[in-house]
Amino acid sequence: QVHLVESGGGVVQPGRSLRLSCTASGFSFNNFVMFWVRQAPGKELEWVSFISSDGMTTYYSDNEKGRFSISRDNRRNTLYLQMSDLRPEDTAVYHCARGPRNDISSHMDIWGKGTTVTVSS
Amino acid sequence: NFVLTQSQSVSESPGKTVTISCARSWGNIAADFVHWYQQRPGSAPTPIIYDNNQRPSGVPGRFSASVDASSNTASLTIFGLLPEDEADYYCQSSDVTDLVIFGGGTKLTVL
Repeated sequence: QVHLVESGGGVVQPGRSLRLSCTASGFSFNNFVMFWVRQAPGKELEWVSFISSDGMTTYYSDNEKGRFSISRDNRRNTLYLQMSDLRPEDTAVYHCARGPRNDISSHMDIWGKGTTVTVSS
Repeated sequence: NFVLTQSQSVSESPGKTVTISCARSWGNIAADFVHWYQQRPGSAPTPIIYDNNQRPSGVPGRFSASVDASSNTASLTIFGLLPEDEADYYCQSSDVTDLVIFGGGTKLTVL
């Protein structure tokens, strides 16, 4: 079974940092691009970041550029999102998603259930 | 960056057909693939259309999509509505500046 499981969410104060993880199973993780997508409570989906299959190419939404960093460890089948200087507007469910085409135009064919990040004092 | 605009909500009766639109604000919608996702309450999104009009395996033929360059709009059509089609539907595309854009989502109510 193909699975993506996110972890690392929680309640954090504004200005603090958090690292999210996404563990993949059931497929060759190193052959797929990966995305982070978030959804604030009651709001629409918002793309956060993209990473190529080899980890060499990364892209970010303008809102997160400079504060968030995406990376992956293909030996551990794990995707990461390092988030710093967190703001209340970063409060959301964060999903990782797999992309079957080797570029950012790929759709997202497998999604994790998400991990919740709450930024509040 | 362009914007993908979807109507906020649409309602239709079981057995009927509904079309959800996704209008691109600028740039040619046909220049980049459009994908569609279904999100039921409390669940992660799942793809129902990719690359403008392709259905992933397991998605019924009642779901169809197209792209119209003349109106710069992508459309998702669901035939023979079932109660379980009630969900939020999102279009998604990317652009040459390597950004991923989601539409604002359309809430489908099957009355």
